[in-house]
Amino acid sequence: EAAVTQSPRNKVAVTGGKVTLSCNQTNNHNNMYWYRQDTGHGLRLIHYSYGAGSTEKGDIPDGYKASRPSQENFSLILELATPSQTSVYFCASGVTGGAYEQYFGPGTRLTVL
Amino acid sequence: GDQVEQSPSALSLHEGTGSALRCNFTTTMRAVQWFRKNSRGSLINLFYLASGTKENGRLKSAFDSKERYSTLHIRDAQLEDSGTYFCAAEVSGGNYKPTFGKGTSLVVHP
Repeated sequence: EAAVTQSPRNKVAVTGGKVTLSCNQTNNHNNMYWYRQDTGHGLRLIHYSYGAGSTEKGDIPDGYKASRPSQENFSLILELATPSQTSVYFCASGVTGGAYEQYFGPGTRLTVL
Repeated sequence: GDQVEQSPSALSLHEGTGSALRCNFTTTMRAVQWFRKNSRGSLINLFYLASGTKENGRLKSAFDSKERYSTLHIRDAQLEDSGTYFCAAEVSGGNYKPTFGKGTSLVVHP
């Protein structure tokens, strides 16, 4: 059974609209991450979290907010979506304490028209 | 500049042959993880290494923190090995914020 799930798996949004991407993990990991993956860029870190109530800016946070209401859930929020945010978004969870091995969700394909 | 430099960016192999992917780091890394993105877009964990080598079937990975590199060797390539391979590493003493290489697109031909 998948330990990191994402919803929705596909989303089409309009420019200026609000988009919320959700991630749930059953690994009981403290750390959670949101990345976007674009051709030629690998995965780039948007926001991450060390635990419930914590959110930290990653390498490309502009235009995104994050929310970690619980150990299991980590959301990525696009308040005013733009076409440049069209991408595939991956959520991951990871342990702390010296090892950071990550486990990824299946990805969400977002298209902003 | 990029902390993680992955090469080659693209690789074409015939079935049954092998090759190596490499990630060079511009600083000392705590550990490295290798992934494959398959045709369905899922990221599959291949290896996590804090040091040394690991082997799993036709794949073998090595990580040398001191020399600042990691490799992923593929032998006896099969069609299902096609996909994009990524390495990800985190700076020693950092805050669990890994940096990914840009990926290697592998196509295995019959």
